[in-house]
Amino acid sequence: DTGVSQDPRHKITKRGQNVTFRCDPISEHNRLYWYRQTLGQGPEFLTYFQNEAQLEKSRLLSDRFSAERPKGSFSTLEIQRTEQGDSAMYLCASSLSGTGSGATQYFGPGTRLTVL
Amino acid sequence: AQRVTQPEKLLSVFKGAPVELKCNYSYSGSPELFWYVQYSRQRLQLLLRHISRESIKGFTADLNKGETSFHLKKPFAQEEDSAMYYCALKAGANNLFFGTGTRLTVIP
Repeated sequence: DTGVSQDPRHKITKRGQNVTFRCDPISEHNRLYWYRQTLGQGPEFLTYFQNEAQLEKSRLLSDRFSAERPKGSFSTLEIQRTEQGDSAMYLCASSLSGTGSGATQYFGPGTRLTVL
Repeated sequence: AQRVTQPEKLLSVFKGAPVELKCNYSYSGSPELFWYVQYSRQRLQLLLRHISRESIKGFTADLNKGETSFHLKKPFAQEEDSAMYYCALKAGANNLFFGTGTRLTVIP
């Protein structure tokens, strides 16, 4: 396990289509986070899981967005009825729970979504 | 509400010169601050965290609660330091709030 992986790396879709992204965290990490990054901005928090439970969601996560982590391992982020404003880099991160250096968030390479 | 401000989008320094990347934060609770770095074509990675009080790759950052700042400093910049730097605040239990980033270019 060499780190957090995300698939696909790039996705181009037409407005109104549904898309799904996958994130595989570092295997022993029980926390998983989703962030969104638009051009010229830093990453913005979307949601996070501890094991399979989704414990926090940002107001940025509209009802068109849904995230799951069914077995507490990989996670999926689905966007329904995509809009051009959804175009962004979607980042996944994972960490151990607790505090200190063990809770450092490790980021994946991201999935770049372009909505035409 | 929490906020992280990085006033400089771009910063250029000559190799060997000192570098300081500014970060100011707004948070009512006890903050935990981080610096993340993204080198060209690489993923975002942690550079340092204030609670560790360590120096990584020659970089240091001191949390100044009076000035609500967490500036990143290095006495002698190297070409390999050229990258995008993000200051981040951990507010509450888990999620990070990031600044807009500063692109550092070290001129040979």
